[in-house]
Amino acid sequence: EPEVTQTPSHQVTQMGQEVILRCVPISNHLYFYWYRQILGQKVEFLVSFYNNEISEKSEIFDDQFSVERPDGSNFTLKIRSTKLEDSAMYFCASSEAPGQHREGYFGPGTRLTVT
Amino acid sequence: AQKITQTQPGMFVQEKEAVTLDCTYDTSDPSYGLFWYKQPSSGEMIFLIYQGSYDQQNATEGRYSLNFQKARKSANLVISASQLGDSAMYFCAMSAISSGSARQLTFGSGTQLTVLP
Repeated sequence: EPEVTQTPSHQVTQMGQEVILRCVPISNHLYFYWYRQILGQKVEFLVSFYNNEISEKSEIFDDQFSVERPDGSNFTLKIRSTKLEDSAMYFCASSEAPGQHREGYFGPGTRLTVT
Repeated sequence: AQKITQTQPGMFVQEKEAVTLDCTYDTSDPSYGLFWYKQPSSGEMIFLIYQGSYDQQNATEGRYSLNFQKARKSANLVISASQLGDSAMYFCAMSAISSGSARQLTFGSGTQLTVLP
């Protein structure tokens, strides 16, 4: 059964450092998403990506964030200069078509801890 | 803009009993999907059930059913015959399907379900 994978599962970094979170979406999917969940809170949308460009982004997704699809399989989220409040679980998701999140193609998440 | 409201921060249910988790939504999109996810303490998001706004029948998946009342804009999750393993956080979410609309998932704040032995 196809699945979205994410690496690393847990990353600890110091404030001010850059981090790159990696995701491998399902191979025939065209739409990719990043979500964030601060501990104990709800899941929040960060950004969606289609056809090699950002299609939607939330106000959380400010200039310190960027996304990239460097090759045909990976989808990355970069945080340029991490802050303590960036500590959260980051989920990658993909879908075949826009809005078609049926069967919930979420990755297992990367827990980012900023110290 | 879309909004999901889950008014029950915590719920308790006795093992083998049924439980209903409430979810109301608001959207101006004519076509949308409603989702329920389970998040155990390990953190992953597990898809449970989906309801399309134009689906004529309420969705069911095993012990999960979705009580969809479009006029009331509610999409409650019913878990029958609760098991101890059902203890988790449950999130209601929606996404637009209409063209030109934002397609990402919008989540509610979640309901922490505890199943008592």
